[in-house]
Amino acid sequence: GAVVSQHPSRVICKSGTSVKIECRSLDFQATTMFWYRQFPKQSLMLMATSNEGSKATYEQGVEKDKFLINHASLTLSTLTVTSAHPEDSSFYICSARAGEGPAREQFFGPGTRLTVL
Amino acid sequence: AQSVTQLGSHVSVSEGALVLLRCNYSSSVPPYLFWYVQYPNQGLQLLLKYTSAATLVKGINGFEAEFKKSETSFHLTKPSAHMSDAAEYFCAVSDLQGAQKLVFGQGTRLTINP
Repeated sequence: GAVVSQHPSRVICKSGTSVKIECRSLDFQATTMFWYRQFPKQSLMLMATSNEGSKATYEQGVEKDKFLINHASLTLSTLTVTSAHPEDSSFYICSARAGEGPAREQFFGPGTRLTVL
Repeated sequence: AQSVTQLGSHVSVSEGALVLLRCNYSSSVPPYLFWYVQYPNQGLQLLLKYTSAATLVKGINGFEAEFKKSETSFHLTKPSAHMSDAAEYFCAVSDLQGAQKLVFGQGTRLTINP
């Protein structure tokens, strides 16, 4: 089946540093990738949608200069949290989808837990 | 815009009992609906989806859901709960416009009592 990986699975960093999270589709080409964040005991909130080779579309309230998304290939998207602060601590989950259409399944990565000290 | 409401943030059932997780949606057009399961510190796994075919949808792990347009509901059921079913469950509706992104409900934590 379709597998999506994320790296790293956990990261702890100091306030003010930048952190890069990778999302890879291992056995399919992902035309669209999505980035979510999930606070403890809460639902997933979509941060942005990215298509290969084009700029990401950010949801309202998400700072595009703080959360940099690059979707350089059909199998890799990266999320960089710039100048991270404790309030950015969260569980970040990516998903990938092959093709278009609302019934197309999104395959989710295992998530990355970011802790900013 | 589509939206989803999950009634009950926490449901607790005994092992072997019926599982019923409630989901109501709001959509101006026929929706595409999904149920996902999330185990601790993991991503989401698709249980089942409704895409305007049969109204009773069967998924993995013995789960099924019935689409009821008159009630705008898509409740998830399983006849007999197993300890391994303990997890967080999310109902989602697909935005039919633009990127067809998923809109998630608040989630329901299912606890199974031995």
